[in-house]
Amino acid sequence: QSVLTQPPSVSEAPRQRVTISCSGSRSNIGNHAVNWYQQLPGKAPKLLIYYDDLLPSGVSDRFSGSKSGTSASLAISGLQSEDEADYYCATWDDRVNGVIFGGGTKLTVL
Amino acid sequence: QVQQSGSELKKPGASVRVSCKASGYTFTTFAIHWVRQAPGQGLEWMGWIDTNTGRPTYAQGFTGRFVFSLDTSVSATYLQINTLQAEDTAIYYCAREYRWNYRQYFDYWGQGTLVTVSS
Repeated sequence: QSVLTQPPSVSEAPRQRVTISCSGSRSNIGNHAVNWYQQLPGKAPKLLIYYDDLLPSGVSDRFSGSKSGTSASLAISGLQSEDEADYYCATWDDRVNGVIFGGGTKLTVL
Repeated sequence: QVQQSGSELKKPGASVRVSCKASGYTFTTFAIHWVRQAPGQGLEWMGWIDTNTGRPTYAQGFTGRFVFSLDTSVSATYLQINTLQAEDTAIYYCAREYRWNYRQYFDYWGQGTLVTVSS
């Protein structure tokens, strides 16, 4: 069971907007920046959002991140079939003195 | 930027070494982390190695049989797993860490190395 809690799955129709939540605590999200990774089927994870809400170069601005207190969210607008993937939140945790990942959320575009 | 070695099939009790070779940047500037993904499961952080000092740090659950090492002459880091067990079957990823002002993220990931442990 992950220290960071994500919904196991979300689904939405094409062109719609979906959000994925990531819930933690003061020792992790409450104290450190949150990053999001996208893992397409059969591929390695890829950095999607860093430092809570920043987009790496080359990542579509349909993706956005936010954080409030001990929770973070990833939003994807204008859903496309190519967005079907597993999404993971991650951050540093002071108690484990290391990186922790959320359990991952599988996005299905209906 | 980081390229891993190929898939491995090993018998229980054997050892395996996975390599992660960096290119295109100064190797000792960025730490390398290791992440495990068991079949059908999520990502699990294993620990990291300081490429400047060679000092490894292991996550809970990855002490004893797991060893991180590096060879700066070829810009490579290694994950060795000893006394392999069936539960070690997984894809192992290395990832480069970018860190600034106490904030960090993994900006480049290796393609993953599948280690299968089976008799």
